[in-house]
Amino acid sequence: GQNIDQPTEMTATEGAIVQINCTYQTSGFNGLFWYQQHAGEAPTFLSYNVLDGLEEKGRFSSFLSRSKGYSYLLLKELQMKDSASYLCASMDSNYQLIWGAGTKLIIKP
Amino acid sequence: TAGITQAPTSQILAAGRSMTLRCTQDMRHNAMYWYRQDLGLGLRLIHYSNTAGTTGKGEVPDGYSVSRANTDDFPLTLASAVPSQTSVYFCASSLDGPSPLHFGNGTRLTVT
Repeated sequence: GQNIDQPTEMTATEGAIVQINCTYQTSGFNGLFWYQQHAGEAPTFLSYNVLDGLEEKGRFSSFLSRSKGYSYLLLKELQMKDSASYLCASMDSNYQLIWGAGTKLIIKP
Repeated sequence: TAGITQAPTSQILAAGRSMTLRCTQDMRHNAMYWYRQDLGLGLRLIHYSNTAGTTGKGEVPDGYSVSRANTDDFPLTLASAVPSQTSVYFCASSLDGPSPLHFGNGTRLTVT
C-alpha cells in the first residue's frame, strides 16, 4: 500500500535548527514535496526533490534518499513565524500526491 | 494578482441539502484538484482533472461530483450533504506532471 509517515508534533527553540523526518512508500515515485501550512491557511510549496541529495533554499533545506524511502526538511535559524505544520507528500507513478498527516512545529522563545 | 480563488470561505449546510463549492484559477494550469483536510489526517484527494473536459476519482469521491468545462473552473458539488462531509475543502492547481500545487484559501464547510 501507499503510506507516508512523519511525526505529529515537534518543539524547537527560536534560533535553533530542527529536522523533520518523513518516510514514504508509494507505487512508483516521481518526487517528494514539502509544504508549509500556517494554522487556518492554505498549504504553500517549500521544496521538491526527485534525485538523492540535499537541496538548499535559504534557511530551509530538503534531503532525499530514494533507496531508503526517506526525506527530511531542515530548518535553520528558527523564527517564530516558522511555527506551522509541515506536510510531506510523495508523488506516485500517476503523478498523484500521497500526503502525510503533517508535523506541527512549535517554536518557543 | 494571478492565483486560485475559492468561494464561499465558509458555509453551514443542513444535512440533505446540496451545495456547489466554486474554484477558479487564472494561471492557465492544466491540472486541478479538490482535497479535503480533516484533523489528524493528511490531505485526501476527492476528484481531479488533468485537463479541461476530463475528470477522475481520487481517494474519497463518494458523495461528490465535479465538472471541468473549461481550463479555469473546477466546481465541486455535494448532491445531498451528510455530517461526515464536514471538513475544510481545498482546491488546487498545477501546470502538469511533477509541478508544485497552488492552493486556494479553502472552504470551511459544516454540515448539521
